[in-house]
Amino acid sequence: IQMTQSPSTLSASVGDRVTITCRASQSIDRWLAWYQQKPGKAPRLLIYKASTLESGVPSRFSGSGSGTNFTLTISSLQADDLATYHCQRYNNYLPSFGGGTKVEIK
Amino acid sequence: QVQLQQSGPGLVKPSGTLSLTCALSGGSINSDTWWSWLRQSPGKGLEWIGELYPTGSSSYNPSLESRITISLDMTKNQFSLTVTSVTAADTAVYFCARADASRLFHSWGQGVPVIVSS
Repeated sequence: IQMTQSPSTLSASVGDRVTITCRASQSIDRWLAWYQQKPGKAPRLLIYKASTLESGVPSRFSGSGSGTNFTLTISSLQADDLATYHCQRYNNYLPSFGGGTKVEIK
Repeated sequence: QVQLQQSGPGLVKPSGTLSLTCALSGGSINSDTWWSWLRQSPGKGLEWIGELYPTGSSSYNPSLESRITISLDMTKNQFSLTVTSVTAADTAVYFCARADASRLFHSWGQGVPVIVSS
């Protein structure tokens, strides 16, 4: 199963609403996770089961979708959100990731 | 709190062997966990390499399987990755990680950049 993210890069201002899309090549139900990777750091789990926030993740992050189409939304972008965001299909053999979306602050 | 600390050389010669270790603190390697390795090539997304369960069950990415070994050392509370016959295509940042049964990666090592070059 291939995972495709868009856009590959986006630039937004502090306070903007930001949406990232992840598409699966076939249905994955809601077995979709999102990770945040800050520059030079390891990824951090943000959301699993498409919309469940991991403990400690700010409420400005939200996820939605099922089947093949998923979105990650940051309701009000903060400077600390500068990072690359990865989607991941899980709960199956050969977990796979999207190509990543780099979020830049204007 | 589980922490993973990676170690290993940052430079490997072509056709050589890449060996990395991931030491666990704050928990036991002999637990209900899939000990995993992933990598991130320059400008590319994350790629799952493989995993090992404490009972010995393992799975590897088919694209790498013939060159990969993941092993556990319970006496040292650590696990390791070996990649043989490396080429420039194996240049990447390598991460170890702790995954649950659904293959969600809850904890990660700090990442080790590995360059394959003569």
